[in-house]
Amino acid sequence: GENVEQHPSTLSVQEGDSAVIKCTYSDSASNYFPWYKQELGKRPQLIIDIRSNVGEKKDQRIAVTLNKTAKHFSLHITETQPEDSAVYFCAAPSGSARQLTFGSGTQLTVLP
Amino acid sequence: GAGVSQSPSNKVTEKGKDVELRCDPISGHTALYWYRQRLGQGLEFLIYFQGNSAPDKSGLPSDRFSAERTGESVSTLTIQRTQQEDSAVYLCASSRDSATNEKLFFGSGTQLSVL
Repeated sequence: GENVEQHPSTLSVQEGDSAVIKCTYSDSASNYFPWYKQELGKRPQLIIDIRSNVGEKKDQRIAVTLNKTAKHFSLHITETQPEDSAVYFCAAPSGSARQLTFGSGTQLTVLP
Repeated sequence: GAGVSQSPSNKVTEKGKDVELRCDPISGHTALYWYRQRLGQGLEFLIYFQGNSAPDKSGLPSDRFSAERTGESVSTLTIQRTQQEDSAVYLCASSRDSATNEKLFFGSGTQLSVL
């Protein structure tokens, strides 16, 4: 099955700085890599995803990059704001039915 | 409905009792997942349903855990003889079709506390 590892587990940045969270996966057949954001006490929500036919995808201040050869993908948040503070989870499909396996999460804190 | 609905939102039970958690997915979503999230931890996969295929139960932690789904609608997660380590938030999610890698929509979860 898929093994998804995520680093770092915690990350603190100053407001306005950039934040980068990295994930590796083990199943070379994986072709879809979403990122979910979970604010304190709330449900996880999809913020961006990338499919294996592209190497990078951007949506305003967030971007995801994918390196299929190395089997890793990263979330980049630029010009961080206090409302970016949350736990971020990466995920990749696994199993014969391609259900999502999540990373262990990164607690991002943006300091004012 | 407008989103994934879970009930109850909170459940307090005594050790050794059975509990049943309910999930109503978004209408038309064929894929349904159950995850467990312990305090401050990640999303632990429990079980997955896709249409009429056999469910993937590989994440269930013990035989005290079971889940059912009626067609492509409601799912129930049952925990028998609850233990204190079962205390967690149980999240349900649905998507249109996992085969095409669709976005997961999560419910607000059931906070289970086993005393």
